[in-house]
Amino acid sequence: SYVLTQPPSVSVAPGQTARITCGGNDIGSKSVHWYQQKPGQAPALVVYDDRDRPSGIPERFSGSKSGNTATLTISRVEAGDEADYHCLVWDNSSDHWVFGGGTKLTVL
Amino acid sequence: EVQLVQSGAEVKKPGESLKISCKASGYSFTTYWIGWVRQMPGKGLEWMGFIYPGDSDTRYSPSFQGQVTISADKSISTAHLQWSTLKASDTAMYYCARLAGGGIGAPMNYWGQGTLVTVSS
Repeated sequence: SYVLTQPPSVSVAPGQTARITCGGNDIGSKSVHWYQQKPGQAPALVVYDDRDRPSGIPERFSGSKSGNTATLTISRVEAGDEADYHCLVWDNSSDHWVFGGGTKLTVL
Repeated sequence: EVQLVQSGAEVKKPGESLKISCKASGYSFTTYWIGWVRQMPGKGLEWMGFIYPGDSDTRYSPSFQGQVTISADKSISTAHLQWSTLKASDTAMYYCARLAGGGIGAPMNYWGQGTLVTVSS
């Protein structure tokens, strides 16, 4: 079955740039979506289709892909960005959704 | 405004049955996939399955096939997740989520607030 690999944790100082990766075989052929989940809250979509942002999501959040890795980049990190981030793809070879294991972003 | 409102927290014993719900509003219920995502305590998100209320086409994750039943009642714009025999390992937060338009491969763009299910003797 298809597997997405995320680092368990990423730490960054306020004002710096955070990069959260999501690795998967042939991920370049799949659309990657990213979710932010703050403690005690439901997930919220922050990037869809690799690099598009839903309305209301700051431009500080951006998505990209290279090779077998997708990356969520958060520029000028703020304390309020501290959350778990999850990547998600639709694996059309198996017709299944697959989540990454999630990454906890800590703002130092 | 699209809203997904889930039923309240449940405390059950192993072996009992349970049905939780997700009431949708603000859009045409029959024309978007809607389904369920599990989050066990301190863990990541797991896709359980989705249903297209328009024709009841239902897709399950292999991990949950045969373990739960997903249904939709068009008359009240509500999706359900059901267990016939709960286990302690079913203890988790369960979120309903709606897919964006464009088919089952579209992202989950609206989420309910979550239903906490606790199974304990």
